[in-house]
Amino acid sequence: ETGVTQSPTHLIKTRGQQVTLRCSSQSGHNTVSWYQQALGQGPQFIFQYYREEENGRGNFPPRFSGLQFPNYSSELNVNALELDDSALYLCASTPGGSWNTEAFFGQGTRLTVV
Amino acid sequence: AQSVAQPEDQVNVAEGNPLTVKCTYSVSGNPYLFWYVQYPNRGLQFLLKYITGDNLVKGSYGFEAEFNKSQTSFHLKKPSALVSDSALYFCAVRDEGGFKTIFGAGTRLFVKA
Repeated sequence: ETGVTQSPTHLIKTRGQQVTLRCSSQSGHNTVSWYQQALGQGPQFIFQYYREEENGRGNFPPRFSGLQFPNYSSELNVNALELDDSALYLCASTPGGSWNTEAFFGQGTRLTVV
Repeated sequence: AQSVAQPEDQVNVAEGNPLTVKCTYSVSGNPYLFWYVQYPNRGLQFLLKYITGDNLVKGSYGFEAEFNKSQTSFHLKKPSALVSDSALYFCAVRDEGGFKTIFGAGTRLFVKA
């Protein structure tokens, strides 16, 4: 098991609502990435935070936003939820500036939008 | 643009037989290549990576992968499969200096006793 923890593990929301997912990084890791994994697909990169700044973003609309805190924990916020947002959301941490380092993943948050 | 292809949705193999899970990639610079495994309702677990050096990389649980630059491939292999290896396997690529890791669609491995 990695030291990355995510909460909650499961969540059911109604279309149009807002949701916040949380991630606690592996100790010593100051970079956090978020991924969306739809059923039967590979993880899709949402964005990455390094030292509290967003330093990369995938092809996701602005209603997907994030925060990273001084202790390097992180949040993913999704506004105006759509049915297609139903997925497993994965958080991954790495040591900062290490392009050649593997990511440590949390167990994910399963979001269901009804 | 970076991309990863895993051409097989599913691989079936008998326990004790060798297994191969295929991956090809495309990046603009030097590639950093990774294999991860995912068990049901779990996050991804790191298996191995290629950064530089020997083309044959050894990783966790007896897995290895062969980097082939001319064929832009990074196939995952194991000499003798176990039933417990049954899981979803993802190949991923990150380009040098990049922040984004691109994952393949995944290959489901079934090992039959």
